[in-house]
Amino acid sequence: EPEVTQTPSHQVTQMGQEVILRCVPISNHLYFYWYRQILGQKVEFLVSFYNNEISEKSEIFDDQFSVERPDGSNFTLKIRSTKLEDSAMYFCASSVWILASGRGTGTGELFFGEGSRLTVL
Amino acid sequence: QQQVKQSPQSLIVQKGGISIINCAYENTAFDYFPWYQQFPGKGPALLIAIRPDVSEKKEGRFTISFNKSAKQFSLHIMDSQPGDSATYFCAASYSGYSSASKIIFGSGTRLSIRP
Repeated sequence: EPEVTQTPSHQVTQMGQEVILRCVPISNHLYFYWYRQILGQKVEFLVSFYNNEISEKSEIFDDQFSVERPDGSNFTLKIRSTKLEDSAMYFCASSVWILASGRGTGTGELFFGEGSRLTVL
Repeated sequence: QQQVKQSPQSLIVQKGGISIINCAYENTAFDYFPWYQQFPGKGPALLIAIRPDVSEKKEGRFTISFNKSAKQFSLHIMDSQPGDSATYFCAASYSGYSSASKIIFGSGTRLSIRP
């Protein structure tokens, strides 16, 4: 069964350091997302990405955050200068299958990875 | 208007009982209402979803009841089992079949099934 994979599973960093979280979405998916979940709290939308550009972003996704799809498979989230409050579980997700025609199809389901836990000290 | 309100925050149910989790939304543009299940250390996984053209959807022991006029929907887990113990998130989005917008999650319900 296709799955979204994320690395690292856990990263510890010092405040002010740059962090890059990596994701390999399901191949043949069109849309990619980053969400975060602070321990015990709700899953919050950060950003969606389609056709090599940001489709939508939340208020949380400020200038310290950026996303990139550097090749045909990886999707990365970069935090330039981490803060204590960035400590959370970050989930990557993908959705919408590419048809042979190039159009998309799907049910709306987002497929999530197992997450990357970021701890900022 | 973007919020999805979920209750209760936590729920304890005896094995074999019915677990009920409720959600309410405000934005009438939402047209897709999924429920996600999350086990500790894992990402959320789709459990069941409904679109507003039907009032109920059942998959095995899991049923979504949808009340469009009240802008409410709920998850019912029949014959609850210890393996159902997890955090459940209701969600909403205005996604189409060939495109997708963000999914907005409720605050989650931690369900514990007592053996």
